[in-house]
Amino acid sequence: DIQMTQSPSSLSASVGDRVTITCRASQSISSYLNWYQQKPGKAPNLLIYAASSLHSGVPSRFSGSGSGTDFTLTISSLQPEDFATYYCQQSYSTPRTFGPGTTVDIK
Amino acid sequence: EVQLVESGGGLVQPGGSLRLSCAASGFTFSSYWMHWVRQAPGKGLVWVSRINSDGNTTNYADSVKGRFTISRDNAKNTLYLQMNSLRAEDTAVYYCARAGVVIGSGGRACDYWGQGTLVTVSS
Repeated sequence: DIQMTQSPSSLSASVGDRVTITCRASQSISSYLNWYQQKPGKAPNLLIYAASSLHSGVPSRFSGSGSGTDFTLTISSLQPEDFATYYCQQSYSTPRTFGPGTTVDIK
Repeated sequence: EVQLVESGGGLVQPGGSLRLSCAASGFTFSSYWMHWVRQAPGKGLVWVSRINSDGNTTNYADSVKGRFTISRDNAKNTLYLQMNSLRAEDTAVYYCARAGVVIGSGGRACDYWGQGTLVTVSS
C-alpha cells in the first residue's frame, strides 16, 4: 500500500498569510494526487486534482504542485473561510490512501 | 443539482451488521464510480471501498476486506455498503462520494460527497 504523509500536522496563521502544506507519498504516484478541504462537521470538498488542476469553483488563491513523491498545496493569501483541515489523497492505486491531515487555525 | 444522501447508520453491537445506503440524484448515477470513505470521531479520512459504474469491479481497504461489501442498484440510483462482523474500530461517520473527476488514464477524484451517516459499534 502507498503511505501518505503530510507536514506540518497543524499550523497557525493569520489572514493574508501565504500557507504551504507538504504531502509525500511512499512511492511514485506520478501526478495522481488530490487535495481536499474539510471544515468541522462537514463533508470534504475537492480543491485540487491531478496535483495541480484547480477544481471548478475553487478560488484561485489555492494552487498545487509536484509530481512523483513530493507535492505542495499553497494558499497564496489566507482568508477567514480557509481555516480548516486539509488532506491529500493518492488516486494512483488502491487502497486510495489519504494523508493524516493538516489543520490550519487562526494565529 | 447533484445530491448524495446517506442513511442506515446507527448503534450496533460488536459482531452485528448494518447496511448503509446512499441515494443519488441530479446526475447519471450509472456513469460514475462511487466510493465510501469513513472518519472516526476526531480522526482523519480513511478510504473504505469503491465500485465501478456497472458494479462488476470492487476494491476494499484491508481493514474491511471480507467483512464489508459494496454494491449498487443503478435502477434505483443507490449505492450500498453492507457491513458485517462490526468492531468498535468501525465506529465512524461514513461518507459516500462520487468519483466524478477523471485524471489521466484511470485515476479519479471525488467531486461530490454526502453529508455522512454515523455508525457506532458499542455494547
